[in-house]
Amino acid sequence: QVQLQQSGPGLVKPSQTLSLTCAISGDSVSSNSAAWNWVRQSPSRGLEWLGRTFYRSQWYSDYAVSVKSRITIIPDTSKNQFSLQLNSVTPEDTAVYYCTRGWNNFDYWGQGTLVTVSS
Amino acid sequence: QSVLTQPPSASGAPGQRVTISCSGSSSNIGSYPVHWYQQVPGTAPKLLIYDNNQRPSGVPDRFSGSKSGTSASLAISGLQSEDEAVYYCAPWDDSLNGVVFGGGTKVTVL
Repeated sequence: QVQLQQSGPGLVKPSQTLSLTCAISGDSVSSNSAAWNWVRQSPSRGLEWLGRTFYRSQWYSDYAVSVKSRITIIPDTSKNQFSLQLNSVTPEDTAVYYCTRGWNNFDYWGQGTLVTVSS
Repeated sequence: QSVLTQPPSASGAPGQRVTISCSGSSSNIGSYPVHWYQQVPGTAPKLLIYDNNQRPSGVPDRFSGSKSGTSASLAISGLQSEDEAVYYCAPWDDSLNGVVFGGGTKVTVL
């Protein structure tokens, strides 16, 4: 059974970097068939896919156009986890953030982390 | 404002059938399979239907999906109180180069 366990701060100051980690059990971040995603949800923007990382003989990442200039998703094979970094945050980035597994449909989800951007 | 259009709400009495529509375009539904998620408030979304009409293990056959052209539908037959949730459609979108979600449809069991 795959489990995704999220960790990271729930409060970030404007202009700083939002960082979250998703620890994987029951699968491998280096799997040649999976992709590892971040999705967020807010009342104003609804559900929003942010990006993914995946391994196919080498590492690749895809990012949503809306955050492409500010986002990095980083795999960590030594800890079997992946991380989200979102730079230069504003209050508009306040949302519940989820990590998920899947290529373009998501069968496993983390528990969600409410991140508030406020001074 | 999502590129996918879903009705904000739908309702039905226990045992009835409810259908939820999801309208898109050639860059998303018209070109890619549609997936559906169920979200109960306070919990993460759950994959309900994938690849237009496939159910993951454990999803009751009361739930079914279909697609035609640039639209897709989710049907819930034999409606039960536990089906009260928000339902989202989500295909890939070529123009945005990513997964897009519909605005969600809240289903109420009367």
